[in-house]
Amino acid sequence: DTAVSQTPKYLVTQMGNDKSIKCEQNLGHDTMYWYKQDSKKFLKIMFSYNNKELIINETVPNRFSPKSPDKAHLNLHINSLELGDSAVYFCASSQDQVRSYEQYFGPGTRLTVT
Amino acid sequence: AQRVTQPEKLLSVFKGAPVELKCNYSYSGSPELFWYVQYSRQRLQLLLRHISRESIKGFTADLNKGETSFHLKKPFAQEEDSAMYYCALKASSNTGKLIFGQGTTLQVKP
Repeated sequence: DTAVSQTPKYLVTQMGNDKSIKCEQNLGHDTMYWYKQDSKKFLKIMFSYNNKELIINETVPNRFSPKSPDKAHLNLHINSLELGDSAVYFCASSQDQVRSYEQYFGPGTRLTVT
Repeated sequence: AQRVTQPEKLLSVFKGAPVELKCNYSYSGSPELFWYVQYSRQRLQLLLRHISRESIKGFTADLNKGETSFHLKKPFAQEEDSAMYYCALKASSNTGKLIFGQGTTLQVKP
């Protein structure tokens, strides 16, 4: 059983388009995260939700909007895509905020903006 | 500022040699530090936490508050240790935010 899944795995799109990446976890965790990994493999937190409530919102352009319809899902919508948005986006979950040290990561979505 | 620094992008050693992956942090509070690992074609996963003081797959890491370091060590590297290693700092007990270092690729040659 896949614990944290993301779709799609690869996404190639043109500048200016709007796209979404979906994330689902079947671990019964309360907290979910979105990370961006740039070309230098630097992994940076973007957002975190706990029981559908936004708790971490880093300095991210407002073209990025996370949405959590329920605690098992955390989607990432990106408007007006730019070249600099090209990266690998990872979703993760943890049992709760206290146990955030043990995060379960998804396989990543490689976004390429042309 | 809260920061995690891994100075080496790539560390290459021969099988059986000792390994030390460096990690330095900057944090004003009481730090909680962790090592994550990503093996080829696998997901990023927690390797060990400083608070448990455990050895996982032969790896240990000691928190040195004086030097603000949390280096990962193994006395004898194995080929299966080849992976990307990330050091992480728990920056907030309220939000659970983790700050990751830049990562170090460990390559163990036969």
